[in-house]
Amino acid sequence: NAGVTQTPKFRVLKTGQSMTLLCAQDMNHEYMYWYRQDPGMGLRLIHYSVGEGTTAKGEVPDGYNVSRLKKQNFLLGLESAAPSQTSVYFCASSQGVVSPLHFGNGTRLTVT
Amino acid sequence: QQPVQSPQAVILREGEDAVINCSSSKALYSVHWYRQKHGEAPVFLMILLKGGEQKGHDKISASFNEKKQQSSLYLTASQLSYSGTYFCDINNSGNTPLVFGKGTRLSVIA
Repeated sequence: NAGVTQTPKFRVLKTGQSMTLLCAQDMNHEYMYWYRQDPGMGLRLIHYSVGEGTTAKGEVPDGYNVSRLKKQNFLLGLESAAPSQTSVYFCASSQGVVSPLHFGNGTRLTVT
Repeated sequence: QQPVQSPQAVILREGEDAVINCSSSKALYSVHWYRQKHGEAPVFLMILLKGGEQKGHDKISASFNEKKQQSSLYLTASQLSYSGTYFCDINNSGNTPLVFGKGTRLSVIA
């Protein structure tokens, strides 16, 4: 069982560059989420989706965009990367809003 | 609103017990507990829902106190494998995404 798969695992960007993180899940979950994790801050929700074609803002959405064109995929985009976006990004999925979260293995992003 | 976890960090010797608290400023609808080991993704431990009381998972259990708007995670007879950062993740209304606390770092030493 693949579960939740994130690509890439590591990435280094220069300030101003753009990139897209891909999250794929094979559990037919309705809900998908993007979190960022910084030391001492816990996991903070960037954007989430409650179903194919839907997206919504989380706690820290500025500087990011998302799309959910297919139920199994949730893309996170950075249009113009900034050093403040250096972080570990986790994708997660769940069957419902209070169902357990299944996490991907994370993407470590460094913006110089 | 982000829940408050306490303590921020704790060091235990093998076999000792620990309690981690998670408090909310609003009424709780549900609480999840996760454990994250260094360099890995968080792993789900258990969920407690409004109206429930206590759940167990091997020697790890949790309680849900609606009046205090608090959940507590109990780790008994700790093992080295319990080391990691524990997060609670709360929902106040049942229809909005869960919000994570900042975590409690637990270190178990021999």
